[in-house]
Amino acid sequence: QSVLTQPPSVSAAPGQKVTISCSGSTSNIGNNYVSWYQHVPGTAPKLLIYDTNKRPSGIPDRFSGSKSATSATLGITGLQTGDEADYYCGTWDSSLSAGHVFGGGTKLTVL
Amino acid sequence: EVQLMESGGGLIQPGGSLRLSCAAFGFTVSGTYMTWVRQAPGKGLEWVSIIYSGDSTFYGDSVKGRFTISRDNYKNTVNLQMDSLRAEDTAMYYCARQVYSSGYYYDYWGQGTLVTVSS
Repeated sequence: QSVLTQPPSVSAAPGQKVTISCSGSTSNIGNNYVSWYQHVPGTAPKLLIYDTNKRPSGIPDRFSGSKSATSATLGITGLQTGDEADYYCGTWDSSLSAGHVFGGGTKLTVL
Repeated sequence: EVQLMESGGGLIQPGGSLRLSCAAFGFTVSGTYMTWVRQAPGKGLEWVSIIYSGDSTFYGDSVKGRFTISRDNYKNTVNLQMDSLRAEDTAMYYCARQVYSSGYYYDYWGQGTLVTVSS
């Protein structure tokens, strides 16, 4: 049972937009910055978003992040088949001894 | 180019020990926050352990007292000694570099090494 709650799966057609939610609490998302990772099984996870809404160099602006209260959202526009992957949110949790927590992951299918 | 490469995984019996290693390329692990994260089959990511730049270490509750993280600055590696292994430790283990801007996040990850605990 992950501390952060994500939908198990989302799907959309190529070219469409999809959002992935990440729900937490005041001890994590509510008072901390959120990061998002893309993971294709068998490969290294990849940083997509940090500090809630910033993109690392090389990540296209089709990917965006936002936060409201104790929930965060990853948005992906102009979906491509290469976007099929598992997506994870992560943040610090001040209620835990050492603190970093992740969501359970969301499988994105591009139909 | 920054790269991380894990090694040392394998099949081990319950109660056994295993030592994972993460080799870093393109930066020095000395003075860097380095983390181990795992993913059990069919599950999400679980934070396991961190070693800070001052060599302070912290562990997730599920591995505390059984796992030990360390750093070898000469070899430029970060290691995870895993003792008293349990079936529930079966997972792909990733090392990742933790950095800080306004918040903490992981900017580089390795491809992982698989640990299977089974008799």
